[in-house]
Amino acid sequence: ELKVEQNPLFLSMQEGKNYTIYCNYSTTSDRLYWYRQDPGKSLESLFVLLSNGAVKQEGRLMASLDTKARLSTLHITAAVHDLSATYFCAVGRRYNNDMRFGAGTRLTVKP
Amino acid sequence: DVKVTQSSRYLVKRTGEKVFLECVQDMDHENMFWYRQDPGLGLRLIYFSYDVKMKEKGDIPEGYSVSREKKERFSLILESASTNQTSMYLCASTRGGRRVSGANVLTFGAGSRLTVL
Repeated sequence: ELKVEQNPLFLSMQEGKNYTIYCNYSTTSDRLYWYRQDPGKSLESLFVLLSNGAVKQEGRLMASLDTKARLSTLHITAAVHDLSATYFCAVGRRYNNDMRFGAGTRLTVKP
Repeated sequence: DVKVTQSSRYLVKRTGEKVFLECVQDMDHENMFWYRQDPGLGLRLIYFSYDVKMKEKGDIPEGYSVSREKKERFSLILESASTNQTSMYLCASTRGGRRVSGANVLTFGAGSRLTVL
């Protein structure tokens, strides 16, 4: 059974600080996703990581994947208030199209 | 520009009622999914479908059924609603079929918030 663990579940940051969200998963996968959800809204895709060592960056967010450790990280650089949201990682099982999500990290960036 | 449409944004039902949640996508996607979202639990997969009339159970199918008679429509059915089914329900779709490789990003609907009294 594919399990996805995310931590921390809650994160309160000051603007300008850096932090990392971690996503561990339990079985072999060939696809790792990061999604963002704003309050009252649905989920939007941020990154897709398909291979060991993959790194994707957009703005102040950078995601990486280590398939050997079954670990992905979402690094936040110099946080700004607009990044306040809930971030989910999701893992797809190899050769299957279903996807499992972590519990989410609620990020609050304070001035 | 709406691509995945969930028919009801908010519903209030009574215990024991039959509930239908409808989802329609206009992207010609093969795969469709139903998740429920609860605080602290993230998204949990209820059912998914990789083709018309095909369905597979997710992690929490008990108390739910699904129907996919047309490619663009995937319905979630609560045969007899219970209070523990009060939740946010999210429909999503993606390309692919039964076995996929490569990226297949989910496109989500806006969600249906169901309250069972």
